[in-house]
Amino acid sequence: TQLLEQSPQFLSIQEGENLTVYCNSSSVFSSLQWYRQEPGEGPVLLVTVVTGGEVKKLKRLTFQFGDARKDSSLHITAAQPGDTGLYLCAGTTGGTSYGKLTFGQGTILTVHP
Amino acid sequence: GAGVSQSPSNKVTEKGKDVELRCDPISGHTALYWYRQSLGQGLEFLIYFQGNSAPDKSGLPSDRFSAERTGGSVSTLTIQRTQQEDSAVYLCASSLASSGAQHFGDGTRLSIL
Repeated sequence: TQLLEQSPQFLSIQEGENLTVYCNSSSVFSSLQWYRQEPGEGPVLLVTVVTGGEVKKLKRLTFQFGDARKDSSLHITAAQPGDTGLYLCAGTTGGTSYGKLTFGQGTILTVHP
Repeated sequence: GAGVSQSPSNKVTEKGKDVELRCDPISGHTALYWYRQSLGQGLEFLIYFQGNSAPDKSGLPSDRFSAERTGGSVSTLTIQRTQQEDSAVYLCASSLASSGAQHFGDGTRLSIL
């Protein structure tokens, strides 16, 4: 069974601070995806990384996939209150970037004005 | 509509009753997924339909759970003889066959009394 350990579980910071969320596993994943979820809504895909060592940037968000494709990180620069939400990492196996997802437990981020 | 639609949005029922949850995927999406999200377990995969292939049922927790997808579009998740531990948010997602981008509905919040 592939497991994804996500940390920290909770993060409470002030507007303007930087933060990093980690997603780790002992298993190799074909792809790692990051989602953001707000209360009462479904998760929304932020990014998919598929190549070991890959770095993707989305405005103030930087996503990295580990060289061995067992871990990933999400870094947010100068966090804003609008970044508040549940961040989830999820991985696929079997050599594809589609198919069933294995999710981490999630990180609840609160950014205070 | 443009997104994945799930109904009902909320369902309260008594222990032992059967429930049916419905998912309307995005038009043209051949892959459809069911997940369950609960406080203790996070987001867990339940079942995955891809085109005319046999569904991947590996995530269904017991034989009380079943799902079907009629005409390659709408899907129904059925839980028989509900138990209190079935209380959770049930999320449906759909994607194009060759894309990892899963689009989630807002879920059905199921409460078993």
